[in-house]
Amino acid sequence: AQSVTQLDSQVPVFEEAPVELRCNYSSSVSVYLFWYVQYPNQGLQLLLKYLSGSTLVKGINGFEAEFNKSQTSFHLRKPSVHISDTAEYFCAVRRGRDDKIIFGKGTRLHILP
Amino acid sequence: DAMVIQNPRYQVTQFGKPVTLSCSQTLNHNVMYWYQQKSSQAPKLLFHYYDKDFNNEADTPDNFQSRRPNTSFCFLDIRSPGLGDAAMYLCATSLGHNEQFFGPGTRLTVL
Repeated sequence: AQSVTQLDSQVPVFEEAPVELRCNYSSSVSVYLFWYVQYPNQGLQLLLKYLSGSTLVKGINGFEAEFNKSQTSFHLRKPSVHISDTAEYFCAVRRGRDDKIIFGKGTRLHILP
Repeated sequence: DAMVIQNPRYQVTQFGKPVTLSCSQTLNHNVMYWYQQKSSQAPKLLFHYYDKDFNNEADTPDNFQSRRPNTSFCFLDIRSPGLGDAAMYLCATSLGHNEQFFGPGTRLTVL
């Protein structure tokens, strides 16, 4: 069975500082990986995805993530956060083309002024 | 713009009174999902339609039903809402099992 672990339930960071949100997955087969963002009282929005190819994936709003197969990780990074990045971030994994997406429990990003 | 629309955005119902939430999409995606999301938790998949095929998650209570009369619309029926059913309900669509596109959600309050 596949699973997704987001170790940090909350991450506080000062405005304009860099941030990394951690995500680890478990799967015995190749996976597809996603990061979604959820702003208060809204649905989820896709930030970026890894399907194949380059392990460094760039997404919207200046975010990027790196797929590391040996460490089974897909950490999300941004070099300089803004107050508008305050949101819940969900990592998700799909085992194959015909499988469902499994979401992690989410990480709440708090931007401190 | 192609999108996923959920109505209403906020729904208040009484304990035990049936309620229906609706979702429509202009993306022409063949898969539609319903998720339940409680405060500070990940979305929990209730069921999904892959084309016309209904797929129920094993732990989805019988109290929850769904209908998909055509490609564009999908409904979530809660037959007898309990206090524990208060949550945000998210509809999503996808082409096959590719990335999902979410609606803004309906926040359900049960009095």
